[in-house]
Amino acid sequence: RKEVEQDPGPFNVPEGATVAFNCTYSNSASQSFFWYRQDCRKEPKLLMSVYSSGNEDGRFTAQLNRASQYISLLIRDSKLSDSATYLCVVKTGGFKTIFGAGTRLFVKA
Amino acid sequence: GAVVSQHPSWVICKSGTSVKIECRSLDFQATTMFWYRQFPKQSLMLMATSNEGSKATYEQGVEKDKFLINHASLTLSTLTVTSAHPEDSSFYICSACPNGETQYFGPGTRLLVL
Repeated sequence: RKEVEQDPGPFNVPEGATVAFNCTYSNSASQSFFWYRQDCRKEPKLLMSVYSSGNEDGRFTAQLNRASQYISLLIRDSKLSDSATYLCVVKTGGFKTIFGAGTRLFVKA
Repeated sequence: GAVVSQHPSWVICKSGTSVKIECRSLDFQATTMFWYRQFPKQSLMLMATSNEGSKATYEQGVEKDKFLINHASLTLSTLTVTSAHPEDSSFYICSACPNGETQYFGPGTRLLVL
């Protein structure tokens, strides 16, 4: 079993739609959680950290469920510019960081 | 936010040659930097952790004699792909954690070995 698993997609949604991605992790000792966005042929960029209480940044909402060991990302009112690959990232103690394989999102007009 | 730069952004070389990639932290000091490799449609895979003033720590399966890492200063780490072969063609990305928490990535170096 992979340490971090994501649905690879692709998710094809129309503009304005709401889309949700889930990610599961296997190490219960994981401490920090992030969502990164990676555009085609570019480096990953931090989208948002994920906190236990859940957090929101504009149209993006991230949630963490430690008991079930999954994190989620919700995108509301999708824009064409949201098309990208979204990487779930989990950090265990120290510097060990595990990346999910990413979920591809295509937003269409 | 923190800025990490990489150079070159892309390189094409002949099989058997060596290629050096530089990773710099521009507005912070990084005692530790990370080198990743990403093949098409795959996730980032950590190759090694670069430690300033000491030897790099390589992940299992990564040949340390092939991927030479030097972290001579607090703002510069270099990755040298020695005797590159076509199977080494990939997207190489470095990163650093200025606050020990959030990783910031360089723009990546696309290597094509002919």
